[in-house]
Amino acid sequence: GENVEQHPSTLSVQEGDSAVIKCTYSDSASNYFPWYKQELGKRPQLIIDIRSNVGEKKDQRIAVTLNKTAKHFSLHITETQPEDSAVYFCAARQTSYDKVIFGPGTSLSVIP
Amino acid sequence: DAGVTQSPTHLIKTRGQQVTLRCSPKSGHDTVSWYQQALGQGPQFIFQYYEEEERQRGNFPDRFSGHQFPNYSSELNVNALLLGDSALYLCASSLVGWDTHEKLFFGSGTQLSVL
Repeated sequence: GENVEQHPSTLSVQEGDSAVIKCTYSDSASNYFPWYKQELGKRPQLIIDIRSNVGEKKDQRIAVTLNKTAKHFSLHITETQPEDSAVYFCAARQTSYDKVIFGPGTSLSVIP
Repeated sequence: DAGVTQSPTHLIKTRGQQVTLRCSPKSGHDTVSWYQQALGQGPQFIFQYYEEEERQRGNFPDRFSGHQFPNYSSELNVNALLLGDSALYLCASSLVGWDTHEKLFFGSGTQLSVL
């Protein structure tokens, strides 16, 4: 079955700097890759997602890139702000009928 | 438009007991997935329900069972509770379809503590 790995497990950046979180997946049939943000004590919330027919997607300060050949995908956050501090999860899924498999998470701290 | 709602928010049980957790999906959604999230870890897939049937299952023992009702709401049942079952149980809903089908929307979860 699908396995998703995520690095780093913790990340600290200065406010205004960029943050990059990297994930790898094992199943080449996976074609949908969402990213979730979970603040302490709250539910995971979808922040951006990408399908395998797209190499990059941006939404304001957030971007995701996908390398299907290497089975890598990454989250990029620019101009980080203290409110970006949270745990970020990458995930992968084969089809709309399949389960979404999550990575172990990255705890991001943005230092004012 | 109501989002995904779960009840109860917190629950304390003792080893060997049974528990039932409940989930109402986001309005218009027809698929419910259940996840277990241990402290400091990512959500682990338990199972998914669509059209009142279990469609996918993760690596969880048969002590974990579920049900989906005609109104798409769902229950998660755990029998013979173990200390290791202590976790946040998350329900997520989605809609089967060609465009928006992938997006999972999570509830706030039920925090289960087994003593």
